[in-house]
Amino acid sequence: DARVTQTPRHKVTEMGQEVTMRCQPILGHNTVFWYRQTMMQGLELLAYFRNRAPLDDSGMPKDRFSAEMPDATLATLKIQPSEPRDSAVYFCASGPGRGEFFGPGTRLTVL
Amino acid sequence: RKEVEQDPGPFNVPEGATVAFNCTYSNSASQSFFWYRQDCRKEPKLLMSVYSSGNEDGRFTAQLNRASQYISLLIRDSKLSDSATYLCAVNLYTGGFKTIFGAGTRLFVKA
Repeated sequence: DARVTQTPRHKVTEMGQEVTMRCQPILGHNTVFWYRQTMMQGLELLAYFRNRAPLDDSGMPKDRFSAEMPDATLATLKIQPSEPRDSAVYFCASGPGRGEFFGPGTRLTVL
Repeated sequence: RKEVEQDPGPFNVPEGATVAFNCTYSNSASQSFFWYRQDCRKEPKLLMSVYSSGNEDGRFTAQLNRASQYISLLIRDSKLSDSATYLCAVNLYTGGFKTIFGAGTRLFVKA
C-alpha cells in the first residue's frame, strides 16, 4: 500500500532553532507539494516540485523557509530560524498530476 | 476574495439525511476539481474528482458548473462515519498542477 511518509511526526522546538522536515513521496509520483495548515489560514500551499525542479515557492517566506528535493525519494522543508508563528501542521503530498496523496503531517510547535 | 471559497459550516444533520456542500472558485483557468475529506487531526484524503458531466460514487455525487464557477458535493443517506471536514480543491496548471484548497466545511452527522 503505497503512501507518503513524513518525519518527524511531532516536533517541539524553541524560537530561533532550525527545523528540518522530511518527506518520502510515493514512488513514481512526479509532483511533490508542501502545505501548511492552521486553524486561521486553513491549508496553504508553500512550495511544489515537478520532476524534482521547484516550480512555485511563492507561498513560502523566503527569508526563513527553504524547500529542496535532493533526490526523487526525498523532499525537505527547512525553517531557520523558527518563530512561534510557524507553529502548524506541515503536510507533504505527492501526485501523478490529478489529485494528491497526503502524508500524515509534521505537527510543529515553536515555543 | 479567496481563490476557493466554501461555507465553513458546521452542518449538523441526522443520520440518513441528504446534505449538500457548495464551493466557488475565482480563476476561470482552473482545470481540475476535487473533493477531499479530512478527519480530525488527520491528513486530507482524496474523496473524488469532479467532472463536467457530474459523477457519482456510491452515496456521493459531485457536480461542476464551469459557467458559474462552482462545485458541489451531495451526500445521500448520511452515516455517522461521514462526520469530517470536506475540502474542495481546484488545480491550475503553472508548469505543473498547483492545487488551491478551500477552507473546508465541517459536517457532523448525529444519531
